[in-house]
Amino acid sequence: NAGVMQNPRHLVRRRGQEARLRCSPMKGHSHVYWYRQLPEEGLKFMVYLQKENIIDESGMPKERFSAEFPKEGPSILRIQQVVRGDSAAYFCASSSEQGPGDEQFFGPGTRLTVL
Amino acid sequence: AQSVSQHNHHVILSEAASLELGCNYSYGGTVNLFWYVQYPGQHLQLLLKYFSGDPLVKGIKGFEAEFIKSKFSFNLRKPSVQWSDTAEYFCAVRGNTGGFKTIFGAGTRLFVKA
Repeated sequence: NAGVMQNPRHLVRRRGQEARLRCSPMKGHSHVYWYRQLPEEGLKFMVYLQKENIIDESGMPKERFSAEFPKEGPSILRIQQVVRGDSAAYFCASSSEQGPGDEQFFGPGTRLTVL
Repeated sequence: AQSVSQHNHHVILSEAASLELGCNYSYGGTVNLFWYVQYPGQHLQLLLKYFSGDPLVKGIKGFEAEFIKSKFSFNLRKPSVQWSDTAEYFCAVRGNTGGFKTIFGAGTRLFVKA
């Protein structure tokens, strides 16, 4: 759905650098989710945020990864000191509510390549 | 542990053939079920969803899915596929209480020969 914007679409980093991935949810959506997709695998949940709050980060690696969703501006997924295993597609989704059956609208993803 | 299993990773069909993609899940409690589709180069889009009521759910583009609670299954079907259905299909499950975390299957890549 074109309403969820992610940038950059492609990001290349060398090992040890930082990667910042941005997600602008659909207008009026206050719930943001980040997923990671490795080759030949499905999407793996990473973190769920509402404005200024991390609700669940149970899918986030304990180190090097962090996420925020400030009052103003996009949600940011930050990966410090990237390693080759971080290479993946990172998808953001947003929803207007958090109830059973509420649809999550996905962005186009950011493909991170770590050299 | 919560999980979603999609039976086939790759499916190749000719146009007009019937399609059934298997999906089984493991989840304690009431669930909501989804099928998403990702066309080449595009975003994931919702095909259909089930959260209550009639277990036979109709979605967009002629797709349907049937929730069989006793089998923990939510198979996707289409009577006659088209070349334009070539895409990757993901089954997903979300808990119905206090839950937001959506668990995705590994996906099935469908290729429809013209």
